[in-house]
Amino acid sequence: KAGVTQTPRYLIKTRGQQVTLSCSPISGHRSVSWYQQTPGQGLQFLFEYFSETQRNKGNFPGRFSGRQFSNSRSEMNVSTLELGDSALYLCASSLSSQAGNTEAFFGQGTRLTVV
Amino acid sequence: DAKTTQPPSMDCAEGRAANLPCNHSTISGNEYVYWYRQIHSQGPQYIIHGLKNNETNEMASLIITEDRKSSTLILPHATLRDTAVYYCIVRANNNAGNMLTFGGGTRLMVKP
Repeated sequence: KAGVTQTPRYLIKTRGQQVTLSCSPISGHRSVSWYQQTPGQGLQFLFEYFSETQRNKGNFPGRFSGRQFSNSRSEMNVSTLELGDSALYLCASSLSSQAGNTEAFFGQGTRLTVV
Repeated sequence: DAKTTQPPSMDCAEGRAANLPCNHSTISGNEYVYWYRQIHSQGPQYIIHGLKNNETNEMASLIITEDRKSSTLILPHATLRDTAVYYCIVRANNNAGNMLTFGGGTRLMVKP
């Protein structure tokens, strides 16, 4: 079956602009999580959506937001881009919301460069 | 979720077993041990997870000590394609969601 699909793969934006990234989870998966990866901070959790509701949120400013649609597809938005937002943004999908027996499947990521 | 400690880097000869240690001395009874790896510029890949018993799948084996304070991921016959950063993560078995807390991981270099 198809894996996690993230679009676009690469993106270049200018400071002050906003950007929307998209993630299509594995069919049947209802949980979608977003992560930011930078060389300095490593992999950091942004937020998780399950059945269109935000379940968890990481320690990021309000410029970072997301949503999930009824078909489980998710988008994340970053407004008023800063140079420090340049990163690899990863999406992960999971079958359920329980941690015990649920592995997360990651997409290839969207590499965002802010200039 | 409990914190984990891993060596920052390790080398392994191709064809030999790679044994990657992880310390999670503050793990609690309902926390699972998960292993992921990330090959350069790709998304992390799930490897294996366990609670108390040792686990094996087609990719690796997971050995958890009896007191559950540490574990070892074993790649039985490492290949060059196993060169990656390996992350050990502990997660609670509850309904709180799927947040993963990644540490620095171990950068495994498999050498010919």
